[in-house]
Amino acid sequence: KQEVTQIPAALSVPEGENLVLNCSFTDSAIYNLQWFRQDPGKGLTSLLLIQSSQREQTSGRLNASLDKSSGRSTLYIAASQPGDSATYLCAVLGNTGKLIFGQGTTLQVKP
Amino acid sequence: SQTIHQWPATLVQPVGSPLSLECTVEGTSNPNLYWYRQAAGRGLQLLFYSVGIGQISSEVPQNLSASRPQDRQFILSSKKLLLSDSGFYLCAWSAGGADIQYFGAGTRLSVL
Repeated sequence: KQEVTQIPAALSVPEGENLVLNCSFTDSAIYNLQWFRQDPGKGLTSLLLIQSSQREQTSGRLNASLDKSSGRSTLYIAASQPGDSATYLCAVLGNTGKLIFGQGTTLQVKP
Repeated sequence: SQTIHQWPATLVQPVGSPLSLECTVEGTSNPNLYWYRQAAGRGLQLLFYSVGIGQISSEVPQNLSASRPQDRQFILSSKKLLLSDSGFYLCAWSAGGADIQYFGAGTRLSVL
């Protein structure tokens, strides 16, 4: 059974800092991995999708990497801003065809 | 462009009352549709998914049901709500099973 873990559960950093969010999964047989952002009381916004054959994806200040063999992904946020404050969720799509989500990392960027 | 709509945004219902949450997608055809629940302190849990009209797969035994009466309409229902049905319900769509899932704004359901 696929399990997805995100560490840390919460993170507080000063504005301008570069930071890394971690995601690990137990079953390396995945099709892809997605990173989402969720603002309080809101739906999810897809940030990046990495196919199983890819090593990383970039969008603006965000860079996501995938090491399928070790069951790990990281989301790197460069030059963090207060507007980046949100909960970040990673989810893996396995051979069941269903997205399995981690519990999320709640990020606070202080001005 | 494609958009997904969910309503209502918030709902307060007494125990034992019925429920109907609606989700519609615009700008695409034959999408895969999903219902998730996000309970306090827990991750997102897939409740139902549908690959076509009238085709519903249930992921967990529960007090809820889903229907897809039209290609781009997905409805979550209950005949009698339980306290444990409280949570944040999210609808999502994708072009295919391995594609990006796009989420609606969610419905906050409180059962009292």
